[in-house]
Amino acid sequence: DAGITQSPRHKVTETGTPVTLRCHQTENHRYMYWYRQDPGHGLRLIHYSYGVKDTDKGEVSDGYSVSRSKTEDFLLTLESATSSQTSVYFCAISDRTSGEADTQYFGPGTRLTVL
Amino acid sequence: GDSVTQMEGPVTLSEEAFLTINCTYTATGYPSLFWYVQYPGEGLQLLLKATKADDKGSNKGFEATYRKETTSFHLEKGSVQVSDSAVYFCALSLNTGGFKTIFGAGTRLFVKA
Repeated sequence: DAGITQSPRHKVTETGTPVTLRCHQTENHRYMYWYRQDPGHGLRLIHYSYGVKDTDKGEVSDGYSVSRSKTEDFLLTLESATSSQTSVYFCAISDRTSGEADTQYFGPGTRLTVL
Repeated sequence: GDSVTQMEGPVTLSEEAFLTINCTYTATGYPSLFWYVQYPGEGLQLLLKATKADDKGSNKGFEATYRKETTSFHLEKGSVQVSDSAVYFCALSLNTGGFKTIFGAGTRLFVKA
């Protein structure tokens, strides 16, 4: 199994509070991703990173920011949490090589509830 | 735009029944295709993949064939087990510059003993 951990695994917070989720990998993979999973929507990409300090937006990035100061850590921050951000958040990594299939390896997920 | 459509669930089968989960895609370019599986309380994990037309991916008794002419990648298994109960996601990845992996909505499978 790929070495990917997420913390916390569960969090309950209140509307308007800031929240930071952490993803940590031990695989030295270049690419890291944050997805959210909601019923009927599959997985939707929030942000991704293609190297230290190199990040870009996904399809549902509004209300979220990310940072990657080290290869192994990718942080997702909700600056001011809203109830619509209640979801399960997954981190994924890949060692994407040009011309090869981009297999992604997922962490165990963080269940976030915003009251 | 690029997209993945898979059959809605849940799918309920008895043990040893034949499984098919349909997946079709729309993509500009030549995607790689994947099936991922998610067991309760866990993240997704790769089940199988195919990188070009007519390739067959297989793993743990599951298989899927990349059909370019019908833009499909249907998942099949000849005899399901209770332990196959999970959510299955079809996905595509485009390797033509930039990043894009798109997931279907997922199909939940229940297998009864």
